[in-house]
Amino acid sequence: QQPVQSPQAVILREGEDAVINCSSSKALYSVHWYRQKHGEAPVFLMILLKGGEQKGHDKISASFNEKKQQSSLYLTASQLSYSGTYFCGTENGGSNYKLTFGKGTLLTVNP
Amino acid sequence: DADVTQTPRNRITKTGKRIMLECSQTKGHDRMYWYRQDPGLGLRLIYYSFDVKDINKGEISDGYSVSRQAQAKFSLSLESAIPNQTALYFCASALGAGDLSTDTQYFGPGTRLTVL
Repeated sequence: QQPVQSPQAVILREGEDAVINCSSSKALYSVHWYRQKHGEAPVFLMILLKGGEQKGHDKISASFNEKKQQSSLYLTASQLSYSGTYFCGTENGGSNYKLTFGKGTLLTVNP
Repeated sequence: DADVTQTPRNRITKTGKRIMLECSQTKGHDRMYWYRQDPGLGLRLIYYSFDVKDINKGEISDGYSVSRQAQAKFSLSLESAIPNQTALYFCASALGAGDLSTDTQYFGPGTRLTVL
């Protein structure tokens, strides 16, 4: 089952913050975050593991809430370059490793 | 040079034709994946391969077949294309070692397929 991402779309002004959520109906083992610019391939951002710490680089970070089976991506002081569609890919453990991606969140950062 | 390449980048074909999309990677990865992307639906897994002899169906494999000719090459075929297979197709590769839950997937540039 696809994880559910919210919101579906968000519009920001440069410098504002945003949070994107990814929720699963199944127990999560890992969550992978990707960003895709229009017409381009998805690019890896970070992985969150069950029991792992909050991760981040630059002004983008993410957390993993095992109890809620949810991951959140935090974008602070957004830049124009942050615009794109953000996807979470969830993995539910087991030996047959594969990701199930959400439908995506379209983030638009305006000047 | 790109690590994951896909050919062709764009293809227009007619209903009923057989089409092959090709993917190559120079990263030495064991695992390869084919996804389909439709507007508003995200990335959906068609087939995946853990090595040359291990191929698995994804969530939407009907109407598609694959071939893993070598570690570096993974091809997707549409035996008889139909209009609702019009989509953007992505290939991805991953190392396939260590903790597989940390296995990052690297995507190719995509193939835009239109079936008339």
